[in-house]
Amino acid sequence: DIQLTQSPSFLSASVGDRVTITCRASQGISSYLAWYQQKPGKAPNLLIYSASTLQSGVPSRFSGSGSGTEFTLTISSLQPEDFATYYCQQLNSHPLTFGGGTKVEIK
Amino acid sequence: EVQLLESGGGLVQSGGSLRLSCAASGFTFSDYAMSWVRQAPGRGLESVSAISGSGGSTYHADSVKGRFTISRDNSKNTLYLQMNSLRAEDTAVYYCAKRGHKIAAPGNYYFDYWGQGTVVTVSS
Repeated sequence: DIQLTQSPSFLSASVGDRVTITCRASQGISSYLAWYQQKPGKAPNLLIYSASTLQSGVPSRFSGSGSGTEFTLTISSLQPEDFATYYCQQLNSHPLTFGGGTKVEIK
Repeated sequence: EVQLLESGGGLVQSGGSLRLSCAASGFTFSDYAMSWVRQAPGRGLESVSAISGSGGSTYHADSVKGRFTISRDNSKNTLYLQMNSLRAEDTAVYYCAKRGHKIAAPGNYYFDYWGQGTVVTVSS
């Protein structure tokens, strides 16, 4: 199974900050990675797929990059509605594993 | 508008069974693979089972293989998860999720729509 390691697991930031979350895969997965945002009590919401393609309707302050084993999700200017937990997911092969999550909280 | 509505969760004793359903609307159901993804309390996400659009191909995680069965009825636009021999570690919110791409290939296995989730609690 492909393991995904996210860092940090917890992040404290202020509105307007630039935030970067990293996801590392245990083996190369080309650009086959997605990012999701999840708020408490809600289902995950797709932000990015194919490592860098923004899902329709997602604000442009979200961006993704990377290939192979290292990927990043960047929020260029953190907004109040962005405080949530973020997960990466590898799209290379079953089982479709997720990272452990990064919780972004208000400083 | 795509909608996924799960039902069938509840409280069950260890060793018992439950059948989850997910009613889909707003898209051509038979064109898309579907999955069940679960989230244990305070934990991350785990992809449990997946099924192709036709229903001819299925996948189950090792943690549920032999106990859970995914199926679909394309005439009813409904996805199912039959869960037998339930264990305390199966306690979770279970989400049904729609694959974002019609073609099954690496890179296409992302989920663009999720249901609101149904809670399964297994008491020991």
